[in-house]
Amino acid sequence: NAGVTQTPKFQVLKTGQSMTLQCAQDMNHNSMYWYRQDPGMGLRLIYYSASEGTTDKGEVPNGYNVSRLNKREFSLRLESAAPSQTSVYFCASSVRTGVYEQYFGPGTRLTVT
Amino acid sequence: EDQVTQSPEALRLQEGESSSLNCSYTVSGLRGLFWYRQDPGKGPEFLFTLYSAGEEKEKERLKATLTKKESFLHITAPKPEDSATYLCAAFSGTYKYIFGTGTRLKVLA
Repeated sequence: NAGVTQTPKFQVLKTGQSMTLQCAQDMNHNSMYWYRQDPGMGLRLIYYSASEGTTDKGEVPNGYNVSRLNKREFSLRLESAAPSQTSVYFCASSVRTGVYEQYFGPGTRLTVT
Repeated sequence: EDQVTQSPEALRLQEGESSSLNCSYTVSGLRGLFWYRQDPGKGPEFLFTLYSAGEEKEKERLKATLTKKESFLHITAPKPEDSATYLCAAFSGTYKYIFGTGTRLKVLA
C-alpha cells in the first residue's frame, strides 16, 4: 500500500518550458488535490477534484491545468513555466471532500530558471 | 477573510521540556481544525481532527485542544524525534483547507 505517489521528485525547467506532474493514490479515495508550498506562505490549493470526472479551481490556479485521468490519478500541467512557479508541489487525497483528513504525497521540488 | 496564524514560527526545546504550539483562526463557520506533522523533504502527515470547541485528542506525547478562536498542540516531555514542522489547517465548509505557515520545532537531546 504505497499511499500517494508523485513523479518526478525533482525537476528543473527553463522559462517557457512545459511539464506534467503525475500523482496516483491507491487508497480508493474519491477526492484529490494539488497544493504548492512556498516559504512563509503555507500550503495553497491550486486545483482539486471532488470526484472522478470533476475538477475545480482552488486559491492559485493561474498558469496551471489539471486532469483527473481516472479515480487513482490526478495530473498537474504547467503549460509555460515561469520563475514564479518555482515551488514544492504536493498532491493529496481524501475519502471525499469535506471535513476529512488528507493524505499527502512526498512532493515534487520544481525550479524554473 | 479566512485566516490561520501559527505561533511561534520556530521553537527550540530541550528534551523533556514541555511546551505548546498555537494556532489562531478567523474562519466563518469552522467545521474542523486539523493538525499535521511535516518532516523535512516530506509531505504533511495527519495527526488530529478537532470538530468543536472543548474537544481534546491525544496521541503519545501530543495533545490537541480547540477553543472558539484557537487551537493548541501541547507537547509533553518531547524527544528529539518529535522535531518537525507542525501545521494546522481550518476547514470552513467551502471545500478547501486554509493552512497556517507552521511552527518549526527542534528538540535537543
